[in-house]
Amino acid sequence: SQKIEQNSEALNIQEGKTATLTCNYTNYSPAYLQWYRQDPGRGPVFLLLIRENEKEKRKERLKVTFDTTLKQSLFHITASQPADSATYLCALGDYGGSQGNLIFGKGTKLSVKP
Amino acid sequence: KAGVTQTPRYLIKTRGQQVTLSCSPISGHRSVSWYQQTPGQGLQFLFEYFSETQRNKGNFPGRFSGRQFSNSRSEMNVSTLELGDSALYLCASSFLGGVRNTEAFFGQGTRLTVV
Repeated sequence: SQKIEQNSEALNIQEGKTATLTCNYTNYSPAYLQWYRQDPGRGPVFLLLIRENEKEKRKERLKVTFDTTLKQSLFHITASQPADSATYLCALGDYGGSQGNLIFGKGTKLSVKP
Repeated sequence: KAGVTQTPRYLIKTRGQQVTLSCSPISGHRSVSWYQQTPGQGLQFLFEYFSETQRNKGNFPGRFSGRQFSNSRSEMNVSTLELGDSALYLCASSFLGGVRNTEAFFGQGTRLTVV
């Protein structure tokens, strides 16, 4: 069955460092991958989307890579700040043409210490 | 523009009861998806509605059902509640859904507690 794993449940880093979160998947050939941020008690907020034919996407301090051979995506936050502390979710989608084909990882809780 | 609105925000129900949750998508969005989020299982897809039709369904029992109205507002219903149904229920809207979209917009969720 399809499986998504985010490398760790929690990641603690120092302010100013680069946070790197990993999303691995098996038994799946996604058309695209998305990253979301979720704060406690709130719904996820979309950050970035990368398609299967793209290697890298950037948005301000965020960078996402997508390696369909390794079946892995890396999500980087450079110059991290305490305000970046949240849970980050990766989600995979396919060509089924339906939002329902989004499969989410369980998330990595990032804590950035001042 | 207004975001996705879910009501109520919190709900406490007793085992065996039924519950209806509501979701108002962003104006103009035709796709509404529902997810269940628990600490152990993460976000799990329940179903998606597009133009009043269920377009996709996850692996949940028939006690979970939904519908979408002509104004794209959606409701989900859970009958014969079980303790394991306690979770955060999230609704997400998008214009079309699928690969043609760039993102899904989530509501703040309804926290359901079954006692």
